[in-house]
Amino acid sequence: SYELTQPPSVSVSPGQTATISCSGDKLGDKYVCWYQQKPGQSPVLVIYQDYKRPSGIPERFSGSNSGNTATLTISGTQGMDEADYYCQAWDSSTEDVVFGGGTKLSVL
Amino acid sequence: QITLKESGPTLVKPTQTLTLTCSFSGLSLSTSGEGVAWIRQPPGKALEWLALIYWNDDKRYSPSLRSRVTITKDTSKNQVVLTMTNMDPVDTATYYCAHIAEAYYHYGLDVWGQGTTVTVSS
Repeated sequence: SYELTQPPSVSVSPGQTATISCSGDKLGDKYVCWYQQKPGQSPVLVIYQDYKRPSGIPERFSGSNSGNTATLTISGTQGMDEADYYCQAWDSSTEDVVFGGGTKLSVL
Repeated sequence: QITLKESGPTLVKPTQTLTLTCSFSGLSLSTSGEGVAWIRQPPGKALEWLALIYWNDDKRYSPSLRSRVTITKDTSKNQVVLTMTNMDPVDTATYYCAHIAEAYYHYGLDVWGQGTTVTVSS
């Protein structure tokens, strides 16, 4: 089955740019979504179809996907962005949903 | 506005069957393009997809849980039901249902329920 790999943790200073990677075989051939989850809360979709932002998601959230790696970028990171972030894709051969292992973003 | 809410037992014994219901409003699973997924999250761990169902009754299951999980829909009640057999303590988790935006177009899971916590213990 298809697998997605994320770094367990990323740290960033307030106001700086945070980048979170997600890797998988030929991931660039698939659509990737990103979810933000704060403690005790349900996940929230922040990026879909690689780079699109749902209504209400700040412009500082952006995404890209090429080759074997998708990237979530948060520009001008704020304290409120401290959360766990999960990438997600579909196994194109089965339409199964696949999640990455999650990345804890710390804003220090 | 789409809302989803999970319901079911908070405690089940090992070997029992778990039945969870996702009740929703603002969408109809008789409408083309609609879908609902189940996802779980053990305490302190990552999200894990379990199953999904589309308006056309197309169903998909996690390969690792396929033999234990069944997903069904009741269009008249606006509900999706997940059953999981032979429960084990490792199945202790928060279980979420989520709306799939635009089936087969991979728009993502755009609305999530609040989640329901299930503990497996004798």
